[in-house]
Amino acid sequence: EDQVTQSPEALRLQEGESSSLNCSYTVSGLRGLFWYRQDPGKGPEFLFTLYSAGEEKEKERLKATLTKKESFLHITAPKPEDSATYLCAVQAGGSYIPTFGRGTSLIVHP
Amino acid sequence: NAGVTQTPKFQVLKTGQSMTLQCAQDMNHNSMYWYRQDPGMGLRLIYYSASEGTTDKGEVPNGYNVSRLNKREFSLRLESAAPSQTSVYFCASSDKGSYGYTFGSGTRLTVV
Repeated sequence: EDQVTQSPEALRLQEGESSSLNCSYTVSGLRGLFWYRQDPGKGPEFLFTLYSAGEEKEKERLKATLTKKESFLHITAPKPEDSATYLCAVQAGGSYIPTFGRGTSLIVHP
Repeated sequence: NAGVTQTPKFQVLKTGQSMTLQCAQDMNHNSMYWYRQDPGMGLRLIYYSASEGTTDKGEVPNGYNVSRLNKREFSLRLESAAPSQTSVYFCASSDKGSYGYTFGSGTRLTVV
């Protein structure tokens, strides 16, 4: 069974304190790994897709990387507006339906 | 662009009542999905429609039915609501399977 595990469950940072969120997966035949941001009371918002090990994508203070077993979402010098839940989803094998992780809740204090 | 529009945003039902959640997208996407999100459980797929005229069960389809009315609209029906169906429901759409999803803003449903 495909598994997607995100860690930590919750993370508190001070403004400017860089850190990383982890998404580890055990799947057969990765097709794509997706990162989403979800603000309270709203639907997830698509951030990145990564397709192969070694690939990196960047958007403002966020940088996503991918290895054969996990992905990291690096947050550089975060601001309070980066506070949200970050979701990872993995698409694998013959199905294009992704499996979602449970998310990491990030709070950035001013 | 409106993206994915869900109605209603909030609903309270009594056990045994029925209702339909509506979803419409204006991005000409082929695929549409219904998810539920519960604390500690993450997003779980209820039903999906890969293209107009087709629907398939997801991870948690029991107690739900869907209709792909046309390319734009995908509705989710609860025939006899149960307290276990209290959740936040999200509709999503995508152009191709390997692309990211666009989600609606959700329907918060409480069954009492």
